Amino acid sequence: DSGVTQTPKHLITATGQRVTLRCSPRSGDLSVYWYQQSLDQGLQFLIQYYNGEERAKGNILERFSAQQFPDLHSELNLSSLELGDSALYFCASSVLGGVITDTQYFGPGTRLTVL
Amino acid sequence: GENVEQHPSTLSVQEGDSAVIKCTYSDSASNYFPWYKQELGKGPQLIIDIRSNVGEKKDQRIAVTLNKTAKHFSLHITETQPEDSAVYFCAASGAGEKLTFGTGTRLTIIP
Repeated sequence: DSGVTQTPKHLITATGQRVTLRCSPRSGDLSVYWYQQSLDQGLQFLIQYYNGEERAKGNILERFSAQQFPDLHSELNLSSLELGDSALYFCASSVLGGVITDTQYFGPGTRLTVL
Repeated sequence: GENVEQHPSTLSVQEGDSAVIKCTYSDSASNYFPWYKQELGKGPQLIIDIRSNVGEKKDQRIAVTLNKTAKHFSLHITETQPEDSAVYFCAASGAGEKLTFGTGTRLTIIP
């Protein structure tokens, strides 16, 4: 158990809908990262938040957004869902996420199925 | 940006034998190289990592080697056991940069 929690475990929804995925980092970790894992794209970095502020952006679609709250938990919002958004979404956390790349610990993931 | 290639994509070894997975990276500024193990239905779990000021690191049956000149790094698992069966991912990043992952290696340990 990495100490990172994600809810829900599974999510089934329809095209065009909007969903919110939630992540709680390990105690003491300030950075939260979101990744998408699909069969054809592997593990793709989406976005990073550090202590409430957006720190880095990867291949995140405009239909997707995220935020990190004062208690450091984070939410990933996916809207106007398409079939191709079906994937595993992982959250990871690290102590810093600043100048030095520190170890990222992954949560168990949320499996999103768009029908 | 960084590009990480990982080989082989699948690997089967007899229990007790060694397994080696290799990765190459493109960005010479990358200085952090973690390896993750992912079991079915679970998130990636860090098993070992190495920074560019070190050439080799070992943790019991697992070792990682780094060749900065050639820009490649490898994972070595000795005395493999059935519980080593999983998908393994390498990754690379520069200082404070995002992790770029390889495409994964499905390792199967044959009893």
